[in-house]
Amino acid sequence: DAGVTQSPTHLIKTRGQQVTLRCSPKSGHDTVSWYQQALGQGPQFIFQYYEEEERQRGNFPDRFSGHQFPNYSSELNVNALLLGDSALYLCASSFRTGEGYEQYFGPGTRLTVT
Amino acid sequence: EDQVTQSPEALRLQEGESSSLNCSYTVSGLRGLFWYRQDPGKGPEFLFTLYSAGEEKEKERLKATLTKKESFLHITAPKPEDSATYLCAVEKSNYQLIWGAGTKLIIKP
Repeated sequence: DAGVTQSPTHLIKTRGQQVTLRCSPKSGHDTVSWYQQALGQGPQFIFQYYEEEERQRGNFPDRFSGHQFPNYSSELNVNALLLGDSALYLCASSFRTGEGYEQYFGPGTRLTVT
Repeated sequence: EDQVTQSPEALRLQEGESSSLNCSYTVSGLRGLFWYRQDPGKGPEFLFTLYSAGEEKEKERLKATLTKKESFLHITAPKPEDSATYLCAVEKSNYQLIWGAGTKLIIKP
């Protein structure tokens, strides 16, 4: 099992451009969450997808949008990039059973906006 | 307001010197509390999930405990490879996770 994978690993974009980040969940996981992590801070929740629908959303503007596909993989899109969007973007997949809940993270995509 | 606070922000220990990290929370409708380890530039690595006060879990040199207001991550006889940032997150009743800012742990040989 490859675990959670993300692509690309690094990305440099110019202010005003658009970016798409991709995530493949751990095998057997049906829920994908996206986080933004600034240097020295904990992850900030962007949104969560389950059964191809956005189930929860954090305090992020509409410039941040996403999608989940039937195979549970997911994309994060950010429009009209700002310098402040530079961060590590983390994808996490999870699976809930009657016994508990586990969430595993991918390695992240480092986005730099210049 | 929902809040998760981790202390200390940074902790330097000598190899073999045991200590504890703290995660205190004020969250409505706690479903669970998670501990993660994060190395620089990498995604967080799952360590533990705790669900109810009094619960304890162990993994190698790490032991996590939970009370109604806080959780502790005890590190026994740490080694330099235990150096990392340790993150705590609390899951609310609506499934949203609230994260602490982390404790940066440095173990000197």
